[in-house]
Amino acid sequence: DADVTQTPRNRITKTGKRIMLECSQTKGHDRMYWYRQDPGLGLRLIYYSFDVKDINKGEISDGYSVSRQAQAKFSLSLESAIPNQTALYFCATSDSSGNQPQHFGDGTRLSIL
Amino acid sequence: GQQLNQSPQSMFIQEGEDVSMNCTSSSIFNTWLWYKQEPGEGPVLLIALYKAGELTSNGRLTAQFGITRKDSFLNISASIPSDVGIYFCAGQKTYQGGKLIFGQGTELSVKP
Repeated sequence: DADVTQTPRNRITKTGKRIMLECSQTKGHDRMYWYRQDPGLGLRLIYYSFDVKDINKGEISDGYSVSRQAQAKFSLSLESAIPNQTALYFCATSDSSGNQPQHFGDGTRLSIL
Repeated sequence: GQQLNQSPQSMFIQEGEDVSMNCTSSSIFNTWLWYKQEPGEGPVLLIALYKAGELTSNGRLTAQFGITRKDSFLNISASIPSDVGIYFCAGQKTYQGGKLIFGQGTELSVKP
């Protein structure tokens, strides 16, 4: 079983729709992150959380919101999706001690038509 | 925002050749990480570097944390077809709570 699980793996939807991407982890990590990946741009941080109900903006948070109601779950929402939010989205987790590496899920491919 | 400059953007090599890629930054990092991403999967950690000057190996992979703490390189020796993928460097600063700044990636193709 994967340690970091993202659902759905693929989603196609229309402009203006509300979308929620889910991430769950079995690693027991306190810290969770959401990134988006676009060709040629690497991964950019959207939001991150250090604990339940702790929410912090990343580099590109506009148009997104997140929720951390439990240690193991971190969800990302697009309130009103637009085509330039078409991308690969990755969730990651890390332990809170020192500079621990982040561990990634397998991603959600989101297409906004 | 902060950026890491990763080069080259892509490489096409013959099986058996050695590969070298690097990342540079205008700012200092406390940790350098190297990840590999294969199609349909998330990035997987290859090597983590925690001290300036540190040289670490993982099988045929070797990475170094630059003395200035502003750069890092990754070498792959005797490449094989399964080395194909996108390699990302990432820098991390302790006081920023573990946030990663990623390079743009190096796409590696290996011809058998």
